[in-house]
Amino acid sequence: AQKVTQAQTEISVVEKEDVTLDCVYETRDTTYYLFWYKQPPSGELVFLIRRNSFDEQNEISGRYSWNFQKSTSSFNFTITASQVVDSAVYFCALEGSSNTGKLIFGQGTTLQVKP
Amino acid sequence: EPEVTQTPSHQVTQMGQEVILRCVPISNHLYFYWYRQILGQKVEFLVSFYNNEISEKSEIFDDQFSVERPDGSNFTLKIRSTKLEDSAMYFCASRRTGPGELFFGEGSRLTVL
Repeated sequence: AQKVTQAQTEISVVEKEDVTLDCVYETRDTTYYLFWYKQPPSGELVFLIRRNSFDEQNEISGRYSWNFQKSTSSFNFTITASQVVDSAVYFCALEGSSNTGKLIFGQGTTLQVKP
Repeated sequence: EPEVTQTPSHQVTQMGQEVILRCVPISNHLYFYWYRQILGQKVEFLVSFYNNEISEKSEIFDDQFSVERPDGSNFTLKIRSTKLEDSAMYFCASRRTGPGELFFGEGSRLTVL
């Protein structure tokens, strides 16, 4: 069975702090894909990143960075110098090798960035 | 930037009524999906659709649900006889290739009274 766990339900930080959102996944597939989405208060799901299981290089995009560790089945997301606009629910998701578009989502982490 | 658009943004209906949620995927995308999110919970897969047929569906997607691509642009989700527990945000998504970035619409909030 495939599963995604985001153990942090809520995180609160003060603006300009760095924050890391944890994601641990379970799958028996050797090929799989990991995603992060942002859900701001307005409700839409905003795509942030997709990573395949063969690419363990860390990725940086502006203030966002992702750390993929296959050995610990983790795909953590760090926001550097957080801003109030980063306040949202963040979802980690897993797609298995079938590529049918069936993403398994974690429960989400609510990030509140206070001014 | 191309985006997935959904209508209506919010629909209120009485239990037992039929509801159709509409989606216009990104124009060069070939794979289409519906997901739902019950308030405060995680996002759940409902169905995937490619080449005019369902590729995969979840156990949630029972006989009350159906999907259709009636023309070259729209992708619809129909719920035949709504139940209270169908109240949720329904997200349409699309992508160009099988393995690829999956883009979601802004969602349609369904409230069943």
